[in-house]
Amino acid sequence: GAVVSQHPSRVICKSGTSVKIECRSLDFQATTMFWYRQFPKQSLMLMATSNEGSKATYEQGVEKDKFLINHASLTLSTLTVTSAHPEDSSFYICSALDSSTYNEQFFGPGTRLTVL
Amino acid sequence: TQLLEQSPQFLSIQEGENLTVYCNSSSVFSSLQWYRQEPGEGPVLLVTVVTGGEVKKLKRLTFQFGDARKDSSLHITAAQPGDTGLYLCAGAYSGTYKYIFGTGTRLKVLA
Repeated sequence: GAVVSQHPSRVICKSGTSVKIECRSLDFQATTMFWYRQFPKQSLMLMATSNEGSKATYEQGVEKDKFLINHASLTLSTLTVTSAHPEDSSFYICSALDSSTYNEQFFGPGTRLTVL
Repeated sequence: TQLLEQSPQFLSIQEGENLTVYCNSSSVFSSLQWYRQEPGEGPVLLVTVVTGGEVKKLKRLTFQFGDARKDSSLHITAAQPGDTGLYLCAGAYSGTYKYIFGTGTRLKVLA
């Protein structure tokens, strides 16, 4: 199957700093990627839809100025958590839609963010 | 807001037992997927169902999509410890590839 990578896998940062998480489709092109967050013992909550070459679409309640998304190429989307606070600590997961099929999303392994 | 409710939330059973997990919504979905997630990893797709009433089998797992495409079930026969994990359903509305995840069912199979 198609492979999606995320970097870093774990990150610890101080409160007030910004953190960038990368999501890459390694062997296919993805015009659409999704960003999710998952709190311990909970399900995945969709944060935003990332579209190559255009602005991301955010879900209700997600601050677009706090969670900056850039999808500059067909294989890379980045999520930047700006001015991070302890409550932003979570497991962030991306997924990518294969542009050639559009019928399956492939998930990355996730990034564990801890804000001190 | 979770639009997809899963039941039960938690399930602990003995190896060899059968179980069913339910995924219910008041919304109609064009397609519905089931995933299994291990701790600290991304979810892994098990199946996609798109037709009302559709039944798919994957070894000991049987998936069914409701006739009205509002609900789905996952049945596991003769559960094994390797089936332990978080099971998630996810539905997509017509005309979109955006999937909304269910509340999740945490399964533990004891040897």
